[in-house]
Amino acid sequence: NAGVMQNPRHLVRRRGQEARLRCSPMKGHSHVYWYRQLPEEGLKFMVYLQKENIIDESGMPKERFSAEFPKEGPSILRIQQVVRGDSAAYFCASSNSGADTEAFFGQGTRLTVV
Amino acid sequence: EDQVTQSPEALRLQEGESSSLNCSYTVSGLRGLFWYRQDPGKGPEFLFTLYSAGEEKEKERLKATLTKKESFLHITAPKPEDSATYLCAVQAVTSGTYKYIFGTGTRLKVLA
Repeated sequence: NAGVMQNPRHLVRRRGQEARLRCSPMKGHSHVYWYRQLPEEGLKFMVYLQKENIIDESGMPKERFSAEFPKEGPSILRIQQVVRGDSAAYFCASSNSGADTEAFFGQGTRLTVV
Repeated sequence: EDQVTQSPEALRLQEGESSSLNCSYTVSGLRGLFWYRQDPGKGPEFLFTLYSAGEEKEKERLKATLTKKESFLHITAPKPEDSATYLCAVQAVTSGTYKYIFGTGTRLKVLA
C-alpha cells in the first residue's frame, strides 16, 4: 500500500540544464497536484492534472515549466534551462477525486541549481 | 481572491502546556478544510478534514474545529514529538478546478 512516490529525492543541476521530477500517485488516485516550497514558506500551487489532462496550470510560470500525467506512468514536472531561482522543494500530492477529499503528499524532490 | 492565513507564525510551548493554532480563510465555495503536519525535510502528513461549520475531529492530543471563517487546531498536553510545522489548507471551487490553497504554517516547538 505504497503512498505517493517521488523521485529523485535530491537533484542537482547546473544552470541551463533540464530537470525532470517524477511522481507516482497512490494506487487508485487519478488526480495529481504539484506544489513548490521555498525555505520557511508555505506550499505554492503550481498545477493540477488528471490522467492525460491539465486541469489548472494557473500557478505555473509561463516559460520553462511544463507538466504531464500520461495514461501510463508517472506524472512529470519538467523544468527547462534551470536557473538558481528554481532551487526549491517540489512536492506532489494525489487524491482519488477532484473535490471533497484530502490529498496525500510525497516526500518531495529537492532541486538545487548550481 | 481566495486566501488562507495562519497564526501565530511560530509557537514555543513547554511540555504539557496546551494551546491552539488558528487558520482563518476567505474563499468562495469552500469544499473542505484540511490540516497537515510537516516535519523538516519531509512531505506534509495528512491529519484532518473538516467540511462544515461546527464539525470537530480528534486524534490523540490534537483536535480540529471549524467555523464559517476559521479553524482551530487545539493541542492538549503536547509532547516534544509534536514539534513540527502545522499547515492548513482549503479546497475551493475556483474557475471549475479544485486546487488546495495553503497557509504559510505555524512552526511549533515543544520543549521538554
